[in-house]
Amino acid sequence: DVKVTQSSRYLVKRTGEKVFLECVQDMDHENMFWYRQDPGLGLRLIYFSYDVKMKEKGDIPEGYSVSREKKERFSLILESASTNQTSMYLCASSFIGATNEKLFFGSGTQLSVL
Amino acid sequence: AQSVTQPDIHITVSEGASLELRCNYSYGATPYLFWYVQSPGQGLQLLLKYFSGDTLVQGIKGFEAEFKRSQSSFNLRKPSVHWSDAAEYFCAVVKAAGNKLTFGGGTRVLVKP
Repeated sequence: DVKVTQSSRYLVKRTGEKVFLECVQDMDHENMFWYRQDPGLGLRLIYFSYDVKMKEKGDIPEGYSVSREKKERFSLILESASTNQTSMYLCASSFIGATNEKLFFGSGTQLSVL
Repeated sequence: AQSVTQPDIHITVSEGASLELRCNYSYGATPYLFWYVQSPGQGLQLLLKYFSGDTLVQGIKGFEAEFKRSQSSFNLRKPSVHWSDAAEYFCAVVKAAGNKLTFGGGTRVLVKP
C-alpha cells in the first residue's frame, strides 16, 4: 500500500528554535511537496522537489528551507521558528507524468511554536 | 494567476440527505480539476478528478462532480450522506499536467444523526 510517513504527529517548539520536519515515502516517487494547512486558507505550497537535490519554491517559502538528499526523504526546515509558523504541515508525493497531480499525502504534523 | 474559491466554510447536513459543495475557479482556460477529502486525523485523499471529456465525473465513496465551463464551477455532490462523510473537502486546480496544485480554502462538513 502507498505510504507517506511524517515522523511526528505533534510537535511543540519555542520561538527561535531550529525545527526539522521529516517525510519519507516508499513509492519511489520523483515529486515531493511540503504544504501548510491553515483554517480558511486551505493548503499552501511551501516547497517542492522533483528530484534528489533539486528544489523549487512554492507560494510561501519565506522562513523555510528544504533538503532532499535521498529520493525517498524530503525534509522541511524552519531555521528560526516563529509563532506565525504554528500550523499543520502536510507532506505529499507523486510520480512525474501526465497525471502527477494525484498526490499521496501523509497524515500531517501539527506544529505549535510558543 | 489561478485561484480556487470554496464559498462555504462549514456545511451541516443530516444523515441521508443530499450534499452539494461549491467550487469556483479563476483561470482563462479549462484547468484540471480535483476534489480531495481529509477525514479527521488523516491526510488528504483524492475523491475524483476532471481533465476533459464528460463533464460529469464519478469518484470514490459515491461522490460525483460536474464541470460547468460557463460558470467556472466544479461542484461536488452526493445523493445520500453517511456519518462517515464528515470531513473537510478541498477543491484544487492545476492549469496543465505537471504544474502544481492550487487548493481552495476547504469546506468542513458536519453530519447530524
